[in-house]
Amino acid sequence: SQELEQSPQSLIVQEGKNLTINCTSSKTLYGLYWYKQKYGEGLIFLMMLQKGGEEKSHEKITAKLDEKKQQSSLHITASQPSHAGIYLCGAVSTGNTGKLIFGQGTTLQVKP
Amino acid sequence: EPEVTQTPSHQVTQMGQEVILRCVPISNHLYFYWYRQILGQKVEFLVSFYNNEISEKSEIFDDQFSVERPDGSNFTLKIRSTKLEDSAMYFCASSKVRGTPTNTGELFFGEGSRLTVL
Repeated sequence: SQELEQSPQSLIVQEGKNLTINCTSSKTLYGLYWYKQKYGEGLIFLMMLQKGGEEKSHEKITAKLDEKKQQSSLHITASQPSHAGIYLCGAVSTGNTGKLIFGQGTTLQVKP
Repeated sequence: EPEVTQTPSHQVTQMGQEVILRCVPISNHLYFYWYRQILGQKVEFLVSFYNNEISEKSEIFDDQFSVERPDGSNFTLKIRSTKLEDSAMYFCASSKVRGTPTNTGELFFGEGSRLTVL
């Protein structure tokens, strides 16, 4: 079965610094979702990448999908305390029901 | 902006009691899902539902669990006899299209229902 591994597991950065979170799949990765979650709360949809090489941006967050590496990266530029939270990647699993499998999450703290 | 809504936001129940978690998916969506997240752990798939029937379920989704779409708007998850290990956040999700590995549709999640079993 497909597994998603996120790295790093946790990250503490100074406000204003850039950072990157990676999500690597054990199988071919065609499409990928990124969500943000505050601890114990709901999932906020950030971005969906569908094609290899695709790159999307929303405010200061950019995500890319590298099909060959079976990996997606999420990059935050000039981090702010509002970026703090848990970032989750999810991929549509094989099979035709549309279920997602998720990585274990990356916890981000941004120090003012 | 349309959203998936879930009730209750938090429910505390005694072991062995029945619990029903409710979800109102986005109105023109056709594919519905339940996921759960034990605190501090991964989000796990429970069940997918389309055209009034279960299309896939995980091994977590045993006979104690059931889903129903009793009318055109609600989508419910029932746990017949709760166990301590059912304590988790339960997320409902919906999408307009069925995502496949090569054609990913947007999947929207609700805020979750936290279930605490004592």
